[in-house]
Amino acid sequence: SQTIHQWPATLVQPVGSPLSLECTVEGTSNPNLYWYRQAAGRGLQLLFYSVGIGQISSEVPQNLSASRPQDRQFILSSKKLLLSDSGFYLCAWSPRRYSPLHFGNGTRLTVT
Amino acid sequence: QQQVKQSPQSLIVQKGGISIINCAYENTAFDYFPWYQQFPGKGPALLIAIRPDVSEKKEGRFTISFNKSAKQFSLHIMDSQPGDSATYFCAASGNFNKFYFGSGTKLNVKP
Repeated sequence: SQTIHQWPATLVQPVGSPLSLECTVEGTSNPNLYWYRQAAGRGLQLLFYSVGIGQISSEVPQNLSASRPQDRQFILSSKKLLLSDSGFYLCAWSPRRYSPLHFGNGTRLTVT
Repeated sequence: QQQVKQSPQSLIVQKGGISIINCAYENTAFDYFPWYQQFPGKGPALLIAIRPDVSEKKEGRFTISFNKSAKQFSLHIMDSQPGDSATYFCAASGNFNKFYFGSGTKLNVKP
């Protein structure tokens, strides 16, 4: 069966520090991969989307970037965090069109 | 620009009652509409999904109603239980398999 791993679960970082969140999917190949951000009490905002290695689509211009160095690995990064980067970051995958997203358990990021 | 609009923002229902959450979209390229349930501190989990070639889909106590001409769809939770208390999100996806979510509805089912 397929599983998605996302870490760390919680993270507290000072303003101006770098960020690296990692997500891996097991049990499938060539998945579509996604990064979402959820502000407190808000909906899910699509940040990045990838259909294959090295193929990244950015939805919202911001202080973040994403990379997909391997088929089932998706990384969210920032060179310098802002206070506004605080939130709940969710990685997700989907096998194909007309298939649902499957989410990881998220990373709670607090920028202080 | 919000791709999917969801209402209400919060909902209180008595145990055994019907919970109804509504969503609307503008992009006619959307052709897959899932609903998700999220508990605090967890990622959203799929509840039920529909494609626009059917007007209704039922799975257990959960039903999606879909109105293609009005570009609206809704989730009905029959016989609502306290364990259903969670945040519910509608979503829509289209050609590139990008999923856009509504702003969420926080459901509280009173015992």
